[in-house]
Amino acid sequence: AQSVAQPEDQVNVAEGNPLTVKCTYSVSGNPYLFWYVQYPNRGLQFLLKYITGDNLVKGSYGFEAEFNKSQTSFHLKKPSALVSDSALYFCAVSGGSYIPTFGRGTSLIVHP
Amino acid sequence: DAGVIQSPRHEVTEMGQEVTLRCKPISGHDYLFWYRQTMMRGLELLIYFNNNVPIDDSGMPEDRFSAKMPNASFSTLKIQPSEPRDSAVYFCASSPRGEDTEAFFGQGTRLTVV
Repeated sequence: AQSVAQPEDQVNVAEGNPLTVKCTYSVSGNPYLFWYVQYPNRGLQFLLKYITGDNLVKGSYGFEAEFNKSQTSFHLKKPSALVSDSALYFCAVSGGSYIPTFGRGTSLIVHP
Repeated sequence: DAGVIQSPRHEVTEMGQEVTLRCKPISGHDYLFWYRQTMMRGLELLIYFNNNVPIDDSGMPEDRFSAKMPNASFSTLKIQPSEPRDSAVYFCASSPRGEDTEAFFGQGTRLTVV
């Protein structure tokens, strides 16, 4: 079985500060890891993914994520947050089975 | 491509009525997923198809729910009869191939059963 944990329901950060949204996973075999963002009244949009190779993955809108195999983590980061980054963020994993498993989501609030 | 297209965007119906949600996936994508999103349960996978064939429907909550994919460009999710607890946002998503590819989501259908 595969699973994803997003331990924080909400993350608050001031504009211009770095942000981190946490994700840990459990999967048998090699993990494929994804981050998605959901803006109000919209579907999920793909941000970035880790399949293999470099542990630091860069994605859309200046976001990046670091794959850490020993800690089974895939935290989403951005060096300088924008108010427009405020949204719901989902981590997902596949690899144990084809079906991607999504976390419950973390609400990111960036304060001006 | 216009992306995954869902219709309607909003649906309000009375308890006991039949509801049909529609989805047009991205052309060339082999996989199609139906998800339900609620505050209480988050994002739940209901069913997915591979090359138009239903592969796993274990997430379908009850026999009141059914899904079809008659061809590669169209899928429906039907609820009959609908109940207030079915109120949620329903998403359709498609992806080109297997587990290493991302899913592309439609904008969702917000269903309210009164």
